Amino acid sequence: QVQLQESGPGLVKPSDTLSLTCAVSDYSIISSNWWGWIRQPPGKGLEWIGYMFYSGSTYYNPSLKRRVTMSVDTSKNQFSLKLNSLTVLDTAFYYCARMPPPVGGSAFFDIWGQGTLVTVSS
Amino acid sequence: SSELTQDPAVSVALGQTVRITCQGDSLRNSYASWYQQKSGQAPVLVIYGKNNRPSGIPDRFSGSTSGNTASLTVTGAQAGDEADYYCNSRDRSGDVVFGGGTKLTVL
Repeated sequence: QVQLQESGPGLVKPSDTLSLTCAVSDYSIISSNWWGWIRQPPGKGLEWIGYMFYSGSTYYNPSLKRRVTMSVDTSKNQFSLKLNSLTVLDTAFYYCARMPPPVGGSAFFDIWGQGTLVTVSS
Repeated sequence: SSELTQDPAVSVALGQTVRITCQGDSLRNSYASWYQQKSGQAPVLVIYGKNNRPSGIPDRFSGSTSGNTASLTVTGAQAGDEADYYCNSRDRSGDVVFGGGTKLTVL
């Protein structure tokens, strides 16, 4: 069964860069799927960060684009997120998810990781 | 960028039917997808495409679209359906957007 697992620091300092990794199990990252990141501040709604293809093509949320970099490591079957210039507003649960090819033009995330809480604080 | 608007909260009596709506211009060109998120858990996809349910999602959940409004209908709501529900879509530029979420209370 396909599983995604986020890993990274739980606490980071303002102005630092956050680095998260999503390990994909029992499914090859080299497929027709895209791979995405979504975040959720505690008690608030979901915010799309970006998604990428294993070839390296990326789409980023325009509001985060200047601070976000996504990459993939096919040899380790994982993909990563870097978010720089952190502020307290970046405190959130960060989820990685699989995004299959669109159906009826719709974009959807069918498999999610359990999420990891990242707190930005000095 | 596009936006999706959801009612913050909706309630339904046990066993009754409830509709949760999502409005946005991007829905004129692509179907919404819907997610259920229970407290302390990751979101779970419940509807995608025109009206498709992933394996394991009960047929009590259904989706529809009219113009710029997508709806998630829960028929015969159960206590276990109490959760936050989010819609999402993608606009023509490829950007993904989520609605603000609707808290469903089953009375």
